[in-house]
Amino acid sequence: GQQVMQIPQYQHVQEGEDFTTYCNSSTTLSNIQWYKQRPGGHPVFLIQLVKSGEVKKQKRLTFQFGETKKNSSLHITATQTTDVGTYFCAGGSGYQLIWGAGTKLIIKP
Amino acid sequence: DVKVTQSSRYLVKRTGEKVFLECVQDMDHENMFWYRQDPGLGLRLIYFSYDVKMKEKGDIPEGYSVSREKKERFSLILESASTNQTSMYLCASCRQGAHEQFFGPGTRLTVL
Repeated sequence: GQQVMQIPQYQHVQEGEDFTTYCNSSTTLSNIQWYKQRPGGHPVFLIQLVKSGEVKKQKRLTFQFGETKKNSSLHITATQTTDVGTYFCAGGSGYQLIWGAGTKLIIKP
Repeated sequence: DVKVTQSSRYLVKRTGEKVFLECVQDMDHENMFWYRQDPGLGLRLIYFSYDVKMKEKGDIPEGYSVSREKKERFSLILESASTNQTSMYLCASCRQGAHEQFFGPGTRLTVL
């Protein structure tokens, strides 16, 4: 079946360092969405990318959708403690979203 | 603001009990979803519904059933709870198509 692989599973960074998570799909996606789940919370929508090669920015967050619409990345510049949580990608396919397993961002004290 | 509510935040049940988890959304969304979330496994789709009385199996439907009698309400039923169904259950809704999903706060179910 369709799968979206997300790596890494965890990333430990010092505050101020950058963070990147990557998603790869086995099939072409209609769109890619990104969600953030704070510890103890539920996933909250961040952004949706639809076009091949699309790049969107939200302050320190940069989202990319690959040319083939099979891969995507989220990059956070200069992480802050408020960035802590798990970031999920989810690929649009028909009625559903195909979810990546998430990348947990941990800020080292 | 879209609001998705779930009937309980925490639930403790015994093996073999019938369990009902309810989800209500107030944005007239066509699509509703039930996921379970376990550490390291991300979100796994149990069932979804794209209209009243319609349901589709997700990736892990075994041991679960669902009911959607009204557009705003989507219920997940565990006919006979087992310990391997201990998990966080998340309900979500969205408008028709693969659009932004809005999640409820989740129900942490423990089956003893």
